[in-house]
Amino acid sequence: DIVMTQSPLSLPVTPGEPASISCRSSQSLLHSNGYIYLDWYLQKPGQSPQLLIHSASIRASGVPDRFSGSGSGTDFTLKISRMEAEDVGVYYCMQALQIPQTFGQGTKVEIK
Amino acid sequence: QITLKESGPTLVKPTQTLTLTCTFSGFSLSTNGVAVGWIRQPPGKALEWLALIYWDDEKRYRPSLKNRLTINRDTSKSEVLLTMTNMDPVDTATYYCAHEDANTSGWLHWGPGTLVSVSS
Repeated sequence: DIVMTQSPLSLPVTPGEPASISCRSSQSLLHSNGYIYLDWYLQKPGQSPQLLIHSASIRASGVPDRFSGSGSGTDFTLKISRMEAEDVGVYYCMQALQIPQTFGQGTKVEIK
Repeated sequence: QITLKESGPTLVKPTQTLTLTCTFSGFSLSTNGVAVGWIRQPPGKALEWLALIYWDDEKRYRPSLKNRLTINRDTSKSEVLLTMTNMDPVDTATYYCAHEDANTSGWLHWGPGTLVSVSS
C-alpha cells in the first residue's frame, strides 16, 4: 500500500494568519498520463468529509480561493492563505493512484 | 443536486454479515466515468477506503478485506450495496458512501454516513 504521512498532526492557527499542511507519499503519485492522483479533504466537526483539492492543485467547485494545493511526485502541501473560523476541522490527504486508495492520518486544525 | 444516503443496521453481532445500502440521486451510475465508493472511519480515527464500483460494473476492493467485501449495484433503484462478512468489533465505524464523477478525480459528494457498531 502507498503510505501517506501528514505533518503536523495538530495545528493551532490565529484567525487571519496562514496555515500549511504537508503530505508525503511513499511513492510518486504521478501517473504516466501526466495526472497527479492526490486529493485533499476537510472533515468539519460532526460532518462528512468534503473534497477541497484534487489532482494536487485543482480546487473543487465552490471551494474558497484561500485554499491552494501544490506539489508533485511525493511531496504535497495544502495552504490556507488566511485562516477563518469555518476552516476548523481535520484535513486529510488521499492518494488514488493505486488500490487501495489510502489516506493520511489527518491534521487537526483549530483556532488559536 | 447530487445526494447520497447510507442505510443499514446500526448494531450487528460478531461473525454476522453486514449489508449497507447507498441510495443516491442526481446522477446515473451508468454514465461514463462515474464511480461510487465506500469509506469508513472508526470512532476518533482516520478514514479508510474499502471498495468502489465503476459505471461499467468494474469493482475494486481493499486487498486486506477483499475476501470479506462485496460491492454491487442496482441501477434501476439507484443503489449500491456493500456486504461485509464475519463482522468483528474492530469493524465498528461510521460507513460513508461517496460519488466520483468523470470530470473530477476524488470523492466529490458524500453521504452523511451511518454508524455501525459490532458487539455481542
